[in-house]
Amino acid sequence: TQLLEQSPQFLSIQEGENLTVYCNSSSVFSSLQWYRQEPGEGPVLLVTVVTGGEVKKLKRLTFQFGDARKDSSLHITAAQPGDTGLYLCAVPDGGNNRKLIWGLGTSLAVNP
Amino acid sequence: ETGVTQSPTHLIKTRGQQVTLRCSSQSGHNTVSWYQQALGQGPQFIFQYYREEENGRGNFPPRFSGLQFPNYSSELNVNALELDDSALYLCASSLIDPDPSSGANVLTFGAGSRLTVL
Repeated sequence: TQLLEQSPQFLSIQEGENLTVYCNSSSVFSSLQWYRQEPGEGPVLLVTVVTGGEVKKLKRLTFQFGDARKDSSLHITAAQPGDTGLYLCAVPDGGNNRKLIWGLGTSLAVNP
Repeated sequence: ETGVTQSPTHLIKTRGQQVTLRCSSQSGHNTVSWYQQALGQGPQFIFQYYREEENGRGNFPPRFSGLQFPNYSSELNVNALELDDSALYLCASSLIDPDPSSGANVLTFGAGSRLTVL
C-alpha cells in the first residue's frame, strides 16, 4: 500500500481554470513537501509545510497542510500552460529526515 | 552557483551488465541522495552519502552500491542489471545537519539519467 495517496492521478484542463490536487495519508507527519517535475527534469521543490493548518502561497499556487498534519492540498488559480507537469508530495521517513517517501504524483496538463 | 549535474543523460544496457552513473552536487552541498523513479511512479529512495559514507539506505539489493568523493560528487553502480532496473535515476544534493531531528531535507535534484535495460 502507498503511504501517500495523491489524487487525481491525471488532470487535463483548459488555461484559466482553477484546480485542486490532494495528498492524503492516515499517518501524521512532521512536515510535507510539494515538488513539480517537468518531463526530462528532476523534481523542483515548491514548498515545505510544517504546522498543522498552515497555508502558504506561491504566486497562483496555494498550499495547505491539514490540521492533523495527515494531508495536504495544492490549489492553482487561473492555470497556465507553464503549470503543466507532475506534482509530487513527499514526507520524511519517520524519524529519519534523510529519507523522503513520495506519492505517485498528479500529472497535470494545462491546454492553451 | 552550479546546480546538480548528472551523466550520462540516457543509456541502454542489456541484462546482466553493469552500469555506473555519475553526479556532481550543487556547490556548497555536502550530501548526495540517489532515487529511482520508474515510469508513472514517484521516486524511491536508494541511499544517501554523507562524508563519503553511506548514511541511510532504502529497500534495494546489495547490487546497488555507491561512492561519494572528497569533492562531494557521487557515483551509483548497479551490477547484474535486470529488466526492472529500467528507470530514471535521480541524484539530489543537500546541505543537512547530521541530526535527524533537525527538520526536513531540502533537496536539489539533477535532471536524471534515463537507464533502459533490454
